[in-house]
Amino acid sequence: TQLLEQSPQFLSIQEGENLTVYCNSSSVFSSLQWYRQEPGEGPVLLVTVVTGGEVKKLKRLTFQFGDARKDSSLHITAAQPGDTGLYLCAGGNQAGTALIFGKGTTLSVSS
Amino acid sequence: GAGVSQSPSNKVTEKGKDVELRCDPISGHTALYWYRQSLGQGLEFLIYFQGNSAPDKSGLPSDRFSAERTGGSVSTLTIQRTQQEDSAVYLCASSQGAASNYEQYFGPGTRLTVT
Repeated sequence: TQLLEQSPQFLSIQEGENLTVYCNSSSVFSSLQWYRQEPGEGPVLLVTVVTGGEVKKLKRLTFQFGDARKDSSLHITAAQPGDTGLYLCAGGNQAGTALIFGKGTTLSVSS
Repeated sequence: GAGVSQSPSNKVTEKGKDVELRCDPISGHTALYWYRQSLGQGLEFLIYFQGNSAPDKSGLPSDRFSAERTGGSVSTLTIQRTQQEDSAVYLCASSQGAASNYEQYFGPGTRLTVT
C-alpha cells in the first residue's frame, strides 16, 4: 500500500522564521506534487517534482525530491502570514488513476 | 476561464436520507475525480472518470456510494442511506489527463453533515 507521511502535522511560527515540511514514503513515486489549501477552498497545485534530487524554487518556497524518489521536502524562508494554510504532498497511485495524498501540515504564521 | 464548480456548497441531511452532490469540471478536461476530506484523514480518493473508459471505482468505501458522469462532463456523486461517518468535505477535481501527469484543478468542495 502506498502511503505518504507528512510531518509535522501542525506548525505555528512567527513571521520571518524559516520552516521545513517533510513528506516521506517507503514507496517510489514517479513524481510528487505539493498543494496548498486554504479554508473553504480546494487544494491548489504549487509544484511537481519529477527527477530524483531535483530542487525547485517558487519565490520563498524551495521544494526538493529525494534521490530515491521516496521523499520530498518543502522549505519556506522568511514565512509571512499569507503562507498560512494546509500544505499537502501527493503522488500518483500505481494505477495512475488518482493521487494519494499525505494528511497534510497545517501552517499558521502570525505577525 | 471558469474553474471547477460544485453544488451545493453545504448540505445538512438526516441519517438514512440519500444525497446528491454535483460537480461541473473545467470544459475540455477529460479526467474527473472525486475525493473525500475528513478531519485528520487527509484527502481520500473515491472514484475516477477518464473519457469513455470504465471508471475506477476502487476508492468507494461502500456500495452506498455511486457516481456517474453524463456526456463526459457533469458528474454526480450519490450517497444512499447516509451515515454519520459520511460527514466530510467532498472535493471534485478535473484534469486534462491521467492523475500523476497532469495538474488537477479542484473545486471548493461540498461540506456534508449527517445528523
